[in-house]
Amino acid sequence: GNSVTQMEGPVTLSEEAFLTINCTYTATGYPSLFWYVQYPGEGLQLLLKATKADDKGSNKGFEATYRKETTSFHLEKGSVQVSDSAVYFCALLKAAGNKLTFGGGTRVLVKP
Amino acid sequence: DAGVTQSPTHLIKTRGQQVTLRCSPISGHKSVSWYQQVLGQGPQFIFQYYEKEERGRGNFPDRFSARQFPNYSSELNVNALLLGDSALYLCASSLTGDEGEKLFFGSGTQLSVL
Repeated sequence: GNSVTQMEGPVTLSEEAFLTINCTYTATGYPSLFWYVQYPGEGLQLLLKATKADDKGSNKGFEATYRKETTSFHLEKGSVQVSDSAVYFCALLKAAGNKLTFGGGTRVLVKP
Repeated sequence: DAGVTQSPTHLIKTRGQQVTLRCSPISGHKSVSWYQQVLGQGPQFIFQYYEKEERGRGNFPDRFSARQFPNYSSELNVNALLLGDSALYLCASSLTGDEGEKLFFGSGTQLSVL
């Protein structure tokens, strides 16, 4: 079946540091890939997505590139802010409808 | 415009009881999905409904059921609660529920089973 594996947290960084969160997936064919963010006390928000190999999704300074050869979709941001503290989820979509398969989430804490 | 609204926000139940969670989608959205998020884990898909019909079901026991009403709101019911049902239950809506369509999530209902 489909699965998503992402690095365990928490990841603790200083403001303006570089952030990478690794995500790899297992799925047949060509899934769509997503990063969602969950701020404290809130629901999930779509951060970015990519629908085919070599696509790069980007939003709010975050980027991720769909790498089919390594089945990966790593999230990066060049300079994090305290407001980026949240839990980040990698997810894939490989079915009719909108059933998402999520990774376990990575908590990121950015300190001033 | 209001986003996806869920009620109640918090709920405490005891083992063996039954619970009903409610979700109102964004106005104009006809598809509702339910996810269970156990503490420290990613959300897991439970159900998807579109136009009052079940479109998809995840790997959950028959104790879990749902329905969608003519106004597109939805209820998730869980019978014979177990301690392991303690989780954040998320509702998400979209226009038609088609593949790849953007999902909008509510803030969830935190269910604690004692």
